[in-house]
Amino acid sequence: AQSVTQPDIHITVSEGASLELRCNYSYGATPYLFWYVQSPGQGLQLLLKYFSGDTLVQGIKGFEAEFKRSQSSFNLRKPSVHWSDAAEYFCAVGDDGTSYDKVIFGPGTSLSVIP
Amino acid sequence: DTEVTQTPKHLVMGMTNKKSLKCEQHMGHRAMYWYKQKAKKPPELMFVYSYEKLSINESVPSRFSPECPNSSLLNLHLHALQPEDSALYLCASSQDPTFYEQYFGPGTRLTVT
Repeated sequence: AQSVTQPDIHITVSEGASLELRCNYSYGATPYLFWYVQSPGQGLQLLLKYFSGDTLVQGIKGFEAEFKRSQSSFNLRKPSVHWSDAAEYFCAVGDDGTSYDKVIFGPGTSLSVIP
Repeated sequence: DTEVTQTPKHLVMGMTNKKSLKCEQHMGHRAMYWYKQKAKKPPELMFVYSYEKLSINESVPSRFSPECPNSSLLNLHLHALQPEDSALYLCASSQDPTFYEQYFGPGTRLTVT
């Protein structure tokens, strides 16, 4: 079965500092990978996605992520964090399972931003 | 328009009540999903509708009853819920059921008293 891990449960960064959120997946073939962000009490918003091609993908709100097959990773980065980036971040992988396709979410990383 | 709307935003119901959650999308998507999300946890898939037919039920108790009246609308009927059913209920849609890119609504915060 496919799985997604996000090693960091909670991260705190200062406003203006750089950010990297880690994501590792287990999947046999080339995965479909996603990062979603969820502000408190809100739904999930898609930040970016990787299906194939260029391993560095750009997303909304100044985020980017790099797919590294050798490390089974899809880490999310932002060069300068804003206070409004404080939220829960979920990495996800598309899973063409035995009976149906579904998205598997990682456990999430909670980001706090210090002014 | 990449918006999925959900109503109501908040719902408080007793264990003997019957209520419904509503979800709507106008992106022409043919797959729609219900997820349940507890605090500080990822969303858990409940149901998938594919081309207006229920294709996946993730062993959800019968007190949750989904309905897809048309390709734009998805309902979740609630009856005799338990306090542990209190959660954020998220609706999502995707182009089709094999398309992993899903668009989420803002959710309905449900409290069962």
